[in-house]
Order: sequence, then structure tokens, then C-alpha cells
Amino acid sequence: NAGVTQTPKFRVLKTGQSMTLLCAQDMNHEYMYWYRQDPGMGLRLIHYSVGEGTTAKGEVPDGYNVSRLKKQNFLLGLESAAPSQTSVYFCASSPGTSGSVGNEQYFGPGTRLTVT
Amino acid sequence: GENVEQHPSTLSVQEGDSAVIKCTYSDSASNYFPWYKQELGKRPQLIIDIRSNVGEKKDQRIAVTLNKTAKHFSLHITETQPEDSAVYFCAAIPNYGGSQGNLIFGKGTKLSVKP
Repeated sequence: NAGVTQTPKFRVLKTGQSMTLLCAQDMNHEYMYWYRQDPGMGLRLIHYSVGEGTTAKGEVPDGYNVSRLKKQNFLLGLESAAPSQTSVYFCASSPGTSGSVGNEQYFGPGTRLTVT
Repeated sequence: GENVEQHPSTLSVQEGDSAVIKCTYSDSASNYFPWYKQELGKRPQLIIDIRSNVGEKKDQRIAVTLNKTAKHFSLHITETQPEDSAVYFCAAIPNYGGSQGNLIFGKGTKLSVKP
């Protein structure tokens, strides 16, 4: 049981290049999330998914796209990278919600992305 | 929408002392309040959470209190140890007319425990 894994761990991009970050979870969780973490800014939600085939925008979605073709995978794409997207990206998953109450989110190890 | 503010941004204590981190939230309908710990270079991990129908919850040296009237909740760590040094994040889940929102995180508190 690996939990939540992310690929790659590190990446350096030039401005304008594209890339895809992969998140995988083996806990059969319904919900998956992509966050970015910048110094002094906490964790900000980029996009999320409440089930296979669904995606929705979070707090800071501009410049990113996502897809959830399989329940266990959640992909984050940068079509044309910009220096402002230099950040640490975390994926997370959760069982969803039981009624109106939240559940623990399990985070992946993170991807450190630098855009020059 | 929901807004979560966390104080202080940095906290330094001597080993064995207590540490308190406080968060305020704006949406009175929020009903779930977790705390995450993030060690340097690692992923955030849940350490304790509290739901809106409970005023206090304790787990060994860690406790969380919730004051719904004042819309604030606090993390209390007693008998601090050097391994408690980390960044701590509070969060809240707003509730939009029965529909669950997403976690809104505070900006974090860097706790340093000096031996």
C-alpha cells in the first residue's frame, strides 16, 4: 500500500515549455486534489476532482489543466510554463465526505518545480 | 467565502514548554477543522482534527479547542520536544447550504523547539 505517489519529484522547465505531473493513489479514494505551496502562502488549491471523469477549479486554477480519466490517477498539466509557476506541488486524496463532514486528506511527497 | 487566519507565523519555545497556535475562520457554517504538521522537505500530515459538534479533543500531548461563537480554534502542544519542530497548518471546511466545500488552509506557523 503506497498511499499517494507523485511523479516526478523534481523538474526544471524553461519558460514556455509544457509538462504533466502525475498523481496516483491506491486507497480507492473518490476525491483528489492538486495544491501549490509557496513560502508564506500556505497550501492553495489549484484543481480538484470528486470522482472519475470529473474536475473542478480551485482557488488558483489559471495556467493549469487537469484530467481524471481513471479513479486512481489525477494529472496536472502546465501548457506553457511561467516563472510564477515555480513552486512545490502537492497532490492529495480523501475518501470524500460522509454526509456534511470532512475527511482526512492524504498528501503525496510533492514535486518541486522550477521555471527559469 | 471562507477565510482562515493563523497566528503566530513563527513561534519559538524551550523544550518542555507549551505551544499554542490560534486560527480564526469567517464562515460560521464551517464544520470541520483539521491540523496538519509539515516537517522540512516532507508532506503535510494530519495530526488532529475536530468537528463542530465538539468543543475539545485531546491526543496525548496535543489538543485542539473550538469556540464556535467566536469562530476560532487552537492547537495546544504540551511538553514540547525538538521533534515537534515543524510548520503547522490549520484548515477549515466551509459548508454551503449542506454542500461540502474544500479545505481552506491558514498560512502556517513555523514552530521551533529549542533543546
